[in-house]
Amino acid sequence: KAGVTQTPRYLIKTRGQQVTLSCSPISGHRSVSWYQQTPGQGLQFLFEYFSETQRNKGNFPGRFSGRQFSNSRSEMNVSTLELGDSALYLCASSSAGGGTGELFFGEGSRLTVL
Amino acid sequence: DQQVKQNSPSLSVQEGRISILNCDYTNSMFDYFLWYKKYPAEGPTFLISISSIKDKNEDGRFTVFLNKSAKHLSLHIVPSQPGDSAVYFCAAKRYNDMRFGAGTRLTVKP
Repeated sequence: KAGVTQTPRYLIKTRGQQVTLSCSPISGHRSVSWYQQTPGQGLQFLFEYFSETQRNKGNFPGRFSGRQFSNSRSEMNVSTLELGDSALYLCASSSAGGGTGELFFGEGSRLTVL
Repeated sequence: DQQVKQNSPSLSVQEGRISILNCDYTNSMFDYFLWYKKYPAEGPTFLISISSIKDKNEDGRFTVFLNKSAKHLSLHIVPSQPGDSAVYFCAAKRYNDMRFGAGTRLTVKP
């Protein structure tokens, strides 16, 4: 069974640009969550999608947005990039929200904003 | 909002000794608590979990303890091995909402 796939793995952007990151969940998983990892801040929750609907959203500005497609693949977009957006963006999928709801993570997309 | 806190950014132990990683939370509505392990250049991987109705869960060398009255959980690794060196994240879940701590970097010295 293929794991969670994130693309691109690395990217460099400049301030003011926008970026789109992609995530393909494990086959059969309908829930996709996005997290931002920065040194000292751990994993900050961005949002979670289930069956193309955003169910939860973290405390990030509106520049951060996402969507989920009918095949459960998800994208997140960051507009008007700031230096502070430099981080590792992790996508995770799970089969359902109940029980332990164990998340399976991808390797992440490392964004550098210059 | 830091609902899950790991106050020790790093921990160093000798091989063969016990490693104890701590985590505190503020929301008493969390129903599951999990520990994840992360190596550099990889995504976090699930290690062990505990339901809020339990106070202990054991899996091989790993044991998680939950103290609900103190809103505190800990992960014990016995005996610690050099391959355990990684960043450990504590997570707490309510329904489909999972929150993570800042992580503790564990270094196990040979």
